Amino acid sequence: EVQLVESGGGLVQPGGSLRLSCEASGFTFNSNAMSWVRQAPGKGLEWVSAISGSGGNPYYAGSVKGRFTISRDNSKGTLYLQMNSLRAEDTAVYYCAKAGSGSYWLFDFWGQGIMVTVSS
Amino acid sequence: DIQMTQSPSTLSASVGDRVTITCRASQSTGNWLAWYQQKPGKVPKLLIYKASNLESGVPSRFSGSGSGTEFTLTISSLQPDDFATYYCQQYSSYWTFGQGTKVEIK
Repeated sequence: EVQLVESGGGLVQPGGSLRLSCEASGFTFNSNAMSWVRQAPGKGLEWVSAISGSGGNPYYAGSVKGRFTISRDNSKGTLYLQMNSLRAEDTAVYYCAKAGSGSYWLFDFWGQGIMVTVSS
Repeated sequence: DIQMTQSPSTLSASVGDRVTITCRASQSTGNWLAWYQQKPGKVPKLLIYKASNLESGVPSRFSGSGSGTEFTLTISSLQPDDFATYYCQQYSSYWTFGQGTKVEIK
């Protein structure tokens, strides 16, 4: 059974940093690209970042480029999102999502999400 | 960047109704288009991938069609469990979601 469990969220002040983790199980982690998607309170879904199964080729949305860094540790089956210079508009539920096989990355399974609140 | 626009934003319907949601892309996405269902406080659930392929376990009353820049999600006979928000997403060039369509009880 595929499981994705996010952790590391919480309340942080504007300008602060936070690192999210997503622990994966139930599939061959290094075979699948992974992604972060967020949803601000009462709003729609926004793709944030993605990374290939090998850990190379990271991709970022323009709204987070230069502030967020995606990475993965395949030996631990864990995906990370380092978030720096946080802003109020980064407040959201952050979902970890697994991509299916294939050259076009489709998010076929999502974690339960973790809340990040940026406020003073 | 490819922009995705869904219509309508809100849809009021009754159980048994046929419901159609439209998603338009600012440029061609081929068939690389997915539909997700999200209920309040829940995780998005994949319904349709590659424009018209039903994800395993999804009821056959859901169907998807289209290619290029125009896509539709159809629910042939709306059931009580289907009242939710639906999102389209292109995965042709990076990843972009539509703004969502809320299907509510009429």
